[in-house]
Amino acid sequence: SQQGEEDPQALSIQEGENATMNCSYKTSINNLQWYRQNSGRGLVHLILIRSNEREKHSGRLRVTLDTSKKSSSLLITASRAADTASYFCATDPPQGGSEKLVFGKGTKLTVNP
Amino acid sequence: AAGVIQSPRHLIKEKRETATLKCYPIPRHDTVYWYQQGPGQDPQFLISFYEKMQSDKGSIPDRFSAQQFSDYHSELNMSSLELGDSALYFCASSPPGLAGAYNEQFFGPGTRLTVL
Repeated sequence: SQQGEEDPQALSIQEGENATMNCSYKTSINNLQWYRQNSGRGLVHLILIRSNEREKHSGRLRVTLDTSKKSSSLLITASRAADTASYFCATDPPQGGSEKLVFGKGTKLTVNP
Repeated sequence: AAGVIQSPRHLIKEKRETATLKCYPIPRHDTVYWYQQGPGQDPQFLISFYEKMQSDKGSIPDRFSAQQFSDYHSELNMSSLELGDSALYFCASSPPGLAGAYNEQFFGPGTRLTVL
């Protein structure tokens, strides 16, 4: 079953606005990460938040994690057209020592100039 | 800084043909992961190797096999290709680390496989 589910699936905003994307997961995790992917390109690691952390910042990015609700949010502030991409959350479930990532469906963000 | 290298970047094959995808991890990284991302889909874990041994297996078809060589590069071999195998195939590598500690995965640019 899918571990991470992104919400919304697609988001269209104007430059300068904030964009919030949510991710829910089903099992316990070691950590949760957010990745960015430009259309058909590679995955770029944005930020990692550990299961014992509640909030993390990196530049214009703010990530929250609520392990009681098994959910995370990614906030991009003061968005730019260059932020247009798909954003995936990925979890690292603590099972069998494996560190494979389980990705969610992704949110396609469009920032209009 | 050196990144994960994947070759080829694009590959077009016919149904029932075979394909070999190569991944060269970042130097001194000892773990390699393979992921498959179908059109409009999220990446799905296929298989991973640690120190040249298979460490985990995901939703990898029996028609696919992979290995990690002594120089830590990895190859994903795909046989009897089907139309549904058309996807982006990502390789990621991670460095040695403490047991139980998470080591970030660094992704390559991907190989786009098209099966006609």
